[in-house]
Amino acid sequence: DAGVTQSPTHLIKTRGQQVTLRCSPKSGHDTVSWYQQALGQGPQFIFQYYEEEERQRGNFPDRFSGHQFPNYSSELNVNALLLGDSALYLCASSLGQADYEQYFGPGTRLTVT
Amino acid sequence: AQTVTQSQPEMSVQEAETVTLSCTYDTSESDYYLFWYKQPPSRQMILVIRQEAYKQQNATENRFSVNFQKAAKSFSLKISDSQLGDAAMYFCASPRTHQTGANNLFFGTGTRLTVIP
Repeated sequence: DAGVTQSPTHLIKTRGQQVTLRCSPKSGHDTVSWYQQALGQGPQFIFQYYEEEERQRGNFPDRFSGHQFPNYSSELNVNALLLGDSALYLCASSLGQADYEQYFGPGTRLTVT
Repeated sequence: AQTVTQSQPEMSVQEAETVTLSCTYDTSESDYYLFWYKQPPSRQMILVIRQEAYKQQNATENRFSVNFQKAAKSFSLKISDSQLGDAAMYFCASPRTHQTGANNLFFGTGTRLTVIP
């Protein structure tokens, strides 16, 4: 049973650049959520995709955008990177928006210099 | 839950002993879920245990159990017979709201657990 996978594992970008992170949900899951985890903090919700649409959004600026594909995989895009965007980005999947049990991927560590 | 608070940034326990991690929360909901997640150095967030608020009985998963005090809005995690592999960050979490279609989680700031051999 394939779990949640994320790529790349690590990424280093320069301030002002754009980045795309990828996530494949657990087999059978159709809903993908993205979280940002700053060093020493708990994860914070960015947004959630279901049926290829953004359904919920946390308190993040429009520089953060995403996409969900017909196979349920998802991308997180961040434009005009700031030093403060350096964090671990976690993807979580669930079966539908009402499933409170979410399964997390290993994360992508983004460093902005 | 609108807020989740973990007041213990760090805890340590001797191997084979028992440790309790604390979590308090605030919510106006009458029915909700609470979770404990473990995040080892590998960074993968692993679900340890879940509790449904309408259930009076405290949840148990092998060596992990919770003490759920609904009136006090307290949700602590007890780890019995601690093992070296239990060393990790532990996060208390709850859905931000229990409206239909809103299952994204709100996390506490975490407790770093060290297990001493």
